Formats: sequence, structure tokens, C-alpha cells
Amino acid sequence: AQSVTQLDSQVPVFEEAPVELRCNYSSSVSVYLFWYVQYPNQGLQLLLKYLSGSTLVKGINGFEAEFNKSQTSFHLRKPSVHISDTAEYFCAVSDNGGYGNKLVFGAGTILRVKS
Amino acid sequence: DGGITQSPKYLFRKEGQNVTLSCEQNLNHDAMYWYRQDPGQGLRLIYYSQIVNDFQKGDIAEGYSVSREKKESFPLTVTSAQKNPTAFYLCASSIGGRSTDTQYFGPGTRLTVL
Repeated sequence: AQSVTQLDSQVPVFEEAPVELRCNYSSSVSVYLFWYVQYPNQGLQLLLKYLSGSTLVKGINGFEAEFNKSQTSFHLRKPSVHISDTAEYFCAVSDNGGYGNKLVFGAGTILRVKS
Repeated sequence: DGGITQSPKYLFRKEGQNVTLSCEQNLNHDAMYWYRQDPGQGLRLIYYSQIVNDFQKGDIAEGYSVSREKKESFPLTVTSAQKNPTAFYLCASSIGGRSTDTQYFGPGTRLTVL
């Protein structure tokens, strides 16, 4: 079964600084990767996804992620963060080991943007 | 507007009581899912359904039950057998059951057992 590790539980950063949120997954022949964002007491919103093709994926709100098969990583980056980016971010991998579209989530990384 | 609605937003329950969480979608999606979220643990899959009248257990199904009688509805019942039900519950849907299909989430229901 797939597993996802988000290496940092919290990442503090100053406004307008760059940020990288790290995500590693267990290896699989076919893997589909997703990043979601969750604002307090709300549901999850899709930021971006990697299905195939270019390893650099661009998403909403200026975020991008790079799929690295050899390192089994899918790190999320933003060159300049805003206060409004403060939220929890989840990396997820689609487990196609059997019936259904089962997403396996990491534990989440809380991004705290300080002024 | 199309989307997923969950009700209620907050729910309180006494120990020993069953409670049902509502999830409705008007996206015409075939597949629906229930996740449980606890602090520091991410989301864990409780049940999922790819089509009407069919559903499968996820990783933590014990103490929960579901039904899928209509395409747009996927209610979750938290039974008294669930030992630690206090959590944030999220419902999701996707157009189909393929691994490439994006899951869209509702706003969640926070359940507290008193």
C-alpha cells in the first residue's frame, strides 16, 4: 500500500519569502500525486496535481510542485508567500492497488506566514 | 452553483447515541467518499462508493455505516460502537472511480461526543 510522508509538521516563514513544503511517497509503478490546502474549519481545496507529462506542475495561487521519480518526492513551492497563504497543506497519492480511487494523505504541514 | 454540502457544520452527541452526518452533491459525480480528520494525522478513509447501491470499507470503517440509495447522497452514521468518534468528518466526490479523478471536498462536519 502507498504511504505519504510530509517531512515538516509546521513551517514558519516571513511574508514575501520563498517556501518549500516537502512530500515523499512510497514507490509504485503508477503514481498520481496531489496537493490540497485547508483553511481553518473548512474542507480541502485542490492546489495542483501530477498525473503524467511534465514533472513541473503549476497550480492555483502561484504554487508549483516538482515530481521527482528517482527521489520519490513531490515538493510544493512558492517563490513569495502572502499572509493569506497561512493554512494547512496536504500531500496525497492515489492508490490504485485495487477497487476504487483511494487517496492516501500525509499528516499535513501547517504553513504560518508572519508579517 | 455545483458543489458538496455537509450538514450540520457542528454536531454534539452523547455517548451511546448513533448520529447521522449528511453529504449531498449536485456535481453529477458517480463516486463519493467519507474521511475522518484528526489533528496531526491527516485524513483517513472511512467508506467509499463508486456507484449507487454499492460501497466499500476504507481503512477505518469499524463503528461506522453508510448507504448509497441515491447518486447525490451518501450519509454516514457514526454508531455507538465507534470508540473515539470526536473528529472532523469530510465528505468528497469525484466524477468517477479512476485514480486520476480529482476528489472534491465538502466543508466538513465537526462531531463532538460529550
